[in-house]
Amino acid sequence: DGGITQSPKYLFRKEGQNVTLSCEQNLNHDAMYWYRQDPGQGLRLIYYSQIVNDFQKGDIAEGYSVSREKKESFPLTVTSAQKNPTAFYLCASLGQGGRRPQHFGDGTRLSIL
Amino acid sequence: EDQVTQSPEALRLQEGESSSLNCSYTVSGLRGLFWYRQDPGKGPEFLFTLYSAGEEKEKERLKATLTKKESFLHITAPKPEDSATYLCALAPQGGSEKLVFGKGMKLTVNP
Repeated sequence: DGGITQSPKYLFRKEGQNVTLSCEQNLNHDAMYWYRQDPGQGLRLIYYSQIVNDFQKGDIAEGYSVSREKKESFPLTVTSAQKNPTAFYLCASLGQGGRRPQHFGDGTRLSIL
Repeated sequence: EDQVTQSPEALRLQEGESSSLNCSYTVSGLRGLFWYRQDPGKGPEFLFTLYSAGEEKEKERLKATLTKKESFLHITAPKPEDSATYLCALAPQGGSEKLVFGKGMKLTVNP
């Protein structure tokens, strides 16, 4: 079945450590997105990529970095510069052609040790 | 600024008690409005897309409607398995295809 796979499901970060969240899709979608979800808040866009080797900052990009070397993969690195990284991170993808919804993975929950 | 407001923030219903969730929005140009369902610890699951005022979509006990200022998600005779957080998101016109999300509405249906 086609879909979006995020890993790991749970991740713990130590002080001063960078951690990388994985997002892989086999939907052949061109565009991919990273969102952060905090309790009582809507999803906020961190980074997005509409094509391989290109990406743009979203509303809350500070302290995060991404790469898009392959169409299927869009990893997110939470750097030590992100002082409040505890959140639920969601990856989404979007295909071309007509009006269509973004499809989401099942998220990674990041906590601080 | 494009904005989405969902109300109420939380709603408790008895099984079989119908109700509606509201999503009001402001946007310079609307490409589409999306409804998602999210279960605890899971990613949002797509429910409906609405494109123009007057449009309606239905799926089982759910019906979504759209006006120029708001969208409603009507839940008819809900069951406990309808308990979830419902998210509303709008897609402004433009090339980036970014979504603007509301804060969500947590629905609890008691048996």
